[in-house]
Amino acid sequence: DIQMTQSPSSLSASVGDRVTITCQASQDIRKYLHWFQQKPGKAPKLLIYDASILERGVPSRFSGSGSGTYFTFTISSLQPEDFATYYCQQYDNLPLTFGGGTKVEIK
Amino acid sequence: EVQLVESGGGLVQPGGSLRLSCAASGFTFSNYWMHWVRQPPGKGLVWVSRINSDGSGTTYADSVKGRFTISRDNAKNTLYLQMNSLRAEDTAVYYCASGGAAAGNDFDYWGQGTLVTVSS
Repeated sequence: DIQMTQSPSSLSASVGDRVTITCQASQDIRKYLHWFQQKPGKAPKLLIYDASILERGVPSRFSGSGSGTYFTFTISSLQPEDFATYYCQQYDNLPLTFGGGTKVEIK
Repeated sequence: EVQLVESGGGLVQPGGSLRLSCAASGFTFSNYWMHWVRQPPGKGLVWVSRINSDGSGTTYADSVKGRFTISRDNAKNTLYLQMNSLRAEDTAVYYCASGGAAAGNDFDYWGQGTLVTVSS
C-alpha cells in the first residue's frame, strides 16, 4: 500500500497568513493526488485534483503543486472559513490512501 | 443538484451485520463509479471500497475484505454496503462518494455520512 505522510499534523495561523501543507507519498503517484477540506461534523469537500487543478467553485487562494512523491498545498491568505482539517489522498494505486490530516486552527 | 444520502447506520453488537444505503439523485447514477469511505471517531479518512458503474467490478480495503460487500441497484439509483462480522474497529462514520464516470476516482460529491457503532 502507498503511505501518504502529511505534515504538519496541526498548525496555528492568523487570518491573512500564508499556510503550506506538505504530503509525501511512499512511492511515485505521478500527478494523482487530491486535497480535501473537512469541517467538524461535515463531509470532506474536494478542493484540488490531479495535484494542481482547482475544483469548480473553489476560491483561487487555494493552490496545489507537485508530482511524483512530493506535493504541497497552499492557502495564500487564510480566511475565517478556512479553519478546518485538510487531507491529501492518492488515487494512482489501489488501495486508495489518505494522509493523516492537518488541522488548521486559529492563532 | 447532486445529492447523496446515506442511511442504515446504528448500534450493532460485535459479530453482527448491517446494510448501509446511499440514495443518489441529480446525476446519471448508472454512469458513475462509487465509493465508500469511513472515518473512526476523532480520526482520519479511510477508503473502504469501490464499485464500477455497472456493478461488475468491486475492490476492497484489506481490513474489510471477506466481510463487507459493495453493490448497487442502478434502477433505484442506490449504492449499498453490506457489513458482516462487524468488529469494534469498524465503528465509524461511513460516507458514500461519487467516483465519476471516467477514471472512477473523482470524489467530487459526498453524502453527509451515517454513523455505525459496534459495541456490546
